[in-house]
Amino acid sequence: QQQVKQSPQSLIVQKGGISIINCAYENTAFDYFPWYQQFPGKGPALLIAIRPDVSEKKEGRFTISFNKSAKQFSLHIMDSQPGDSATYFCAASEYFGNEKLTFGTGTRLTIIP
Amino acid sequence: DSGVTQTPKHLITATGQRVTLRCSPRSGDLSVYWYQQSLDQGLQFLIQYYNGEERAKGNILERFSAQQFPDLHSELNLSSLELGDSALYFCASRREGRNTGELFFGEGSRLTVL
Repeated sequence: QQQVKQSPQSLIVQKGGISIINCAYENTAFDYFPWYQQFPGKGPALLIAIRPDVSEKKEGRFTISFNKSAKQFSLHIMDSQPGDSATYFCAASEYFGNEKLTFGTGTRLTIIP
Repeated sequence: DSGVTQTPKHLITATGQRVTLRCSPRSGDLSVYWYQQSLDQGLQFLIQYYNGEERAKGNILERFSAQQFPDLHSELNLSSLELGDSALYFCASRREGRNTGELFFGEGSRLTVL
């Protein structure tokens, strides 16, 4: 079964610090790697995504780092803020021909003052 | 607001019963996806419909079924409910043609089976 393994399960970071969440995958056909952010009582929402033709993508304080040879990718949140407290899911899909996303198990991030 | 509407938001029922969850996708989105979110397993893909036809199937139990109607809304039917079916059920929609992979999720239907 296609899997995306995510760690850690939960993470506590001080305000202003760097939050790092890691994911690993096995299916080499995966070609699209998004991160979704979910607040309590809400559905997940796309945060940032990357294709494997680049090793890094940055949007504001959020950066995806991608290591194709290691089949790993990670989310870095710089200058973490209390408003970033949420559950983060990594995901992967085959860009062409298979549109369903396979999600990681999620990381509950808490930013403390 | 994602534009995806799910009803009901909360549902409490007993084992053995049957329930129907409803989803209205974003205007113009032809694809509808159903996901199950439980505490220990994250988001599990159940099934996808595109313009009324089943396109992909995931870990959906035989007791569960879905359909997409001509107006593009979708229903997920859960029957012979068991305690383990208690979960959040999310519907998501996507606009065909761009193939960005971005799904727009509703706020979910929380099912509690007692």
